Amino acid sequence: GQQLNQSPQSMFIQEGEDVSMNCTSSSIFNTWLWYKQDPGEGPVLLIALYKAGELTSNGRLTAQFGITRKDSFLNISASIPSDVGIYFCAGREIQGAQKLVFGQGTRLTINP
Amino acid sequence: DVKVTQSSRYLVKRTGEKVFLECVQDMDHENMFWYRQDPGLGLRLIYFSYDVKMKEKGDIPEGYSVSREKKERFSLILESASTNQTSMYLCASSFPSTGGAGGYTFGSGTRLTVV
Repeated sequence: GQQLNQSPQSMFIQEGEDVSMNCTSSSIFNTWLWYKQDPGEGPVLLIALYKAGELTSNGRLTAQFGITRKDSFLNISASIPSDVGIYFCAGREIQGAQKLVFGQGTRLTINP
Repeated sequence: DVKVTQSSRYLVKRTGEKVFLECVQDMDHENMFWYRQDPGLGLRLIYFSYDVKMKEKGDIPEGYSVSREKKERFSLILESASTNQTSMYLCASSFPSTGGAGGYTFGSGTRLTVV
């Protein structure tokens, strides 16, 4: 099936640093979503993007829907310990069943 | 608080056993999904359902089947469990994707170990 290329796969940072991760695809999507999975839990939706070029913020999180509709990035500013977890990007297929396609995930570890 | 509830957080089963993973949602969602999550591979879709008694194969359906007899319940069945099915299993639900809106709501996951 379709896959998104998400990078980096893991990040080890100091508390207070900014974080950036991105997803790319060979296909066009009409929606990009970013999820966070806390240890031992299911993913939870952070940000949803519906238009090419859209830039959306949610507190310290900022995400953008690429103008080519084939990529998206997520930035986290001034990281704190509770930001630890796995972050997934997801794109919604335009054709067919319009399911979400997920990236491989970025595991974020923060050193206090 | 809306929820997707998976019946077990942890399961240990023996090779060859028939295993049932249950998922219930209280949001009146039409769509339900089963994923497995493995390190470095992200979330891979096993099966999904857009309506009662309806099912469609995802990307990795081999060795699995599903049942959706009621709108709120979607069961994943491992017909004969094998060690390579040791994984985290995640259930999700959503409204139909009209207008491109709406993400999925996930359950907390079932970590299955097959020995």
